Amino acid sequence: DAGITQSPRHKVTETGTPVTLRCHQTENHRYMYWYRQDPGHGLRLIHYSYGVKDTDKGEVSDGYSVSRSKTEDFLLTLESATSSQTSVYFCAISEIQVSNYGYTFGSGTRLTVV
Amino acid sequence: DQQVKQNSPSLSVQEGRISILNCDYTNSMFDYFLWYKKYPAEGPTFLISISSIKDKNEDGRFTVFLNKSAKHLSLHIVPSQPGDSAVYFCAAPVNQAGTALIFGKGTTLSVSS
Repeated sequence: DAGITQSPRHKVTETGTPVTLRCHQTENHRYMYWYRQDPGHGLRLIHYSYGVKDTDKGEVSDGYSVSRSKTEDFLLTLESATSSQTSVYFCAISEIQVSNYGYTFGSGTRLTVV
Repeated sequence: DQQVKQNSPSLSVQEGRISILNCDYTNSMFDYFLWYKKYPAEGPTFLISISSIKDKNEDGRFTVFLNKSAKHLSLHIVPSQPGDSAVYFCAAPVNQAGTALIFGKGTTLSVSS
């Protein structure tokens, strides 16, 4: 594995509660990304980071916030979880800005909002 | 508005035959394209890429073809093996700065023995 760990792997939470997913890397890569995967939608970018405290929004960022206080950790927070945020969340890392080598994904977090 | 489209949700192929997965795109400024493979309960893994200045890239059993005039790329797997059964995503950089990738919806390939 490329040294990328997502936690938790599975989580069930109630509507309206805050949830934080963690992505941890040991590769010292500058770029980190959060995607969600849903049936019929493929992989959609939520937020990404291009350095410590440097983040930007992706195509489905509403309802999500991120933080990156150190190189190795990228946190995704659902401020008030909704059923539409039930999904599988993937973190990815990249040493350089995206190139034709792509980037490396974690194993995912399956989140269920009931 | 999808910039990268995979119009076939699924494909079934017999072992030993060729699998062809297709992807269409709308932005002629993409510099490169990538294919990822995903098994259940795992993260996607990089498979193969192609630069926009090429029309073909080959890696073992996997070949990607790019037709820029048609804005179309395809992934050929020859011969197909049961272990190739997975979801395949095509991807492209979301902008010219290459800050992130955008993905198609994916095609589920089933290879039967």
